[in-house]
Amino acid sequence: SQQGEEDPQALSIQEGENATMNCSYKTSINNLQWYRQNSGRGLVHLILIRSNEREKHSGRLRVTLDTSKKSSSLLITASRAADTASYFCATVTGGGNKLTFGTGTQLKVEL
Amino acid sequence: EAGVVQSPRYKIIEKKQPVAFWCNPISGHNTLYWYRQNLGQGPELLIRYENEEAVDDSQLPKDRFSAERLKGVDSTLKIQPAELGDSAVYLCASSSQQVSYNEQFFGPGTRLTVL
Repeated sequence: SQQGEEDPQALSIQEGENATMNCSYKTSINNLQWYRQNSGRGLVHLILIRSNEREKHSGRLRVTLDTSKKSSSLLITASRAADTASYFCATVTGGGNKLTFGTGTQLKVEL
Repeated sequence: EAGVVQSPRYKIIEKKQPVAFWCNPISGHNTLYWYRQNLGQGPELLIRYENEEAVDDSQLPKDRFSAERLKGVDSTLKIQPAELGDSAVYLCASSSQQVSYNEQFFGPGTRLTVL
């Protein structure tokens, strides 16, 4: 079963614009991770945020986490055509490093 | 460093036929995962190995699915017999506690089509 749901399901923007994707989940977590998936490179880890963190940055990526609302957001600034992909949030709960993925957001960045 | 290797990349079979997928994890990664990803969905864990021991197989449909990881390195996932609903991408991932945050590295997947 899916732990989280991403919103929106699909997003289309122009190159240079910012893209924001949201993720909601159901149970308490150890950490939350964001992944990107495209046909060229498969599923790639982007960033991890721990349950006691509120915000993290990595290059053009900014992730926030609100554990009281059980939600996270991923912001991609100054988007590029190469950012076109599906983006998934995944949560880790309990022990064992088990990832539970959301349903994904399909991002299309147009030139 | 080579990534996670999976084969075949694509497989088309008729229902009721058997099928097997192979995965070779990143060298030194003791944890190996098999996921199934249905169209338009996120991956779902089928089984997780710590070395050669299956430590979480609660989501593996054991009536038709089996997996093994002999010698704690590469792994094989088998379906016998396949059903139409098994059409999906089967992803293998590996991780090591020595790597920051126990990050999982995914292979390219095997796309299975059952006719």
